[in-house]
Amino acid sequence: SQELEQSPQSLIVQEGKNLTINCTSSKTLYGLYWYKQKYGEGLIFLMMLQKGGEEKSHEKITAKLDEKKQQSSLHITASQPSHAGIYLCGADTSGSARQLTFGSGTQLTVLP
Amino acid sequence: ETGVTQSPTHLIKTRGQQVTLRCSSQSGHNTVSWYQQALGQGPQFIFQYYREEENGRGNFPPRFSGLQFPNYSSELNVNALELDDSALYLCASSPGTPHRSQETQYFGPGTRLLVL
Repeated sequence: SQELEQSPQSLIVQEGKNLTINCTSSKTLYGLYWYKQKYGEGLIFLMMLQKGGEEKSHEKITAKLDEKKQQSSLHITASQPSHAGIYLCGADTSGSARQLTFGSGTQLTVLP
Repeated sequence: ETGVTQSPTHLIKTRGQQVTLRCSSQSGHNTVSWYQQALGQGPQFIFQYYREEENGRGNFPPRFSGLQFPNYSSELNVNALELDDSALYLCASSPGTPHRSQETQYFGPGTRLLVL
């Protein structure tokens, strides 16, 4: 099994709907990073979580870290077409934040 | 805009050739990491450089090598290219030392490499 599992692999939602993306690590998390990527482009940093129970929000995107379960979730409220893209979680499982392990990504499509 | 640039944007090579990809980090960013992203997959860590020395390596063979220069630029070199090397190559830079986990990485737009 993969070190970092992301689900779902793809998601199609109607504009205005809420959605959640999950990320589960098989190793202890020193930090969990969420990035967004447009197809074939670089990664745009969204949020970083380090402490169990930590929750961060930016505009309509909220991320939470459950350290005990080694899980993180990304929640988008009232989705918009601009939210479309590939969402990637990256885990620091070595204590070195520069050596991230990434999940396979979640392809999000928002239908107008 | 992350302040990290990469060149070239696209590249086509044939099997067995050698390639050099370049990355320019933000001023003051002493740590640079390189990732390989195959189609439909998440990025995979290749290696990391801090103050011009390799400071961590993923599961990649020695034909993947790198250099980091004092002017915050860096290179990824791949020798004896194989078909499976076709991927998007991303560099990411960050300030501070490699073990300061509270700082994030800023990614460049990537170089798309196609090996025929």
